[in-house]
Amino acid sequence: EVVLTQSPGTLSLSPGETATLSCRASQSVGSHYLAWYQQKPGQAPRLVFSGTSYRATGIPDRFRASGSATDFTLTINRLEPEDFAVYYCQQYGSTFGQGTKLEIK
Amino acid sequence: EVQLVQSGAEVKKPGESLKISCKGSGYNFATYWIGWVRQMPGRGLEWVGIIYPHDSETRYSPSFQGQVTISADTSITTVYLQWDSLKASDSAMYFCSRHSTSYSSGDYWGQGALVTVSS
Repeated sequence: EVVLTQSPGTLSLSPGETATLSCRASQSVGSHYLAWYQQKPGQAPRLVFSGTSYRATGIPDRFRASGSATDFTLTINRLEPEDFAVYYCQQYGSTFGQGTKLEIK
Repeated sequence: EVQLVQSGAEVKKPGESLKISCKGSGYNFATYWIGWVRQMPGRGLEWVGIIYPHDSETRYSPSFQGQVTISADTSITTVYLQWDSLKASDSAMYFCSRHSTSYSSGDYWGQGALVTVSS
């Protein structure tokens, strides 16, 4: 089973800054088989990206995703207050990373 | 409008059985997979398994195989997650999600169902 390791565990930034979140797989994941989700307290997860870099409906273009094989990155430019949440990567139909908490500094 | 509506919170005792539900609407229910995800208190997301309502093909995470059963009733556009004998460690929030294939992202999610198992 593929293990996904996200880093950092917590990222403290201010609105307007750029967040870079990493997701590393223990073995190669097809570039079309990784997703990113956003979860806010008390809410269900929300799809951010599918197929590594396909932005979900309603996600602003400040969000970018990239990567292949074992290294994947979610970048959020010009952070807005509503972006602060926990972000998870997931190999389709399988394991999630442990999450990165993006918090306001 | 696509919606997944989950059943309400449950409080059970260890050893009891439980079946929680996820009702889909606003799309062709039978032709999308429905997955289940567990989130223990203060913890991350864990993949439980997934079902294709059209033919009830099901896949489970190795961690949950034999521990839970996923089923579907297309006549009422509902998918279920059930336990025959609950443990305290089953206490968690459970989310359902819609998938176009068994290996795809979850594009719509239910609101979650909190299961509490306590003596």
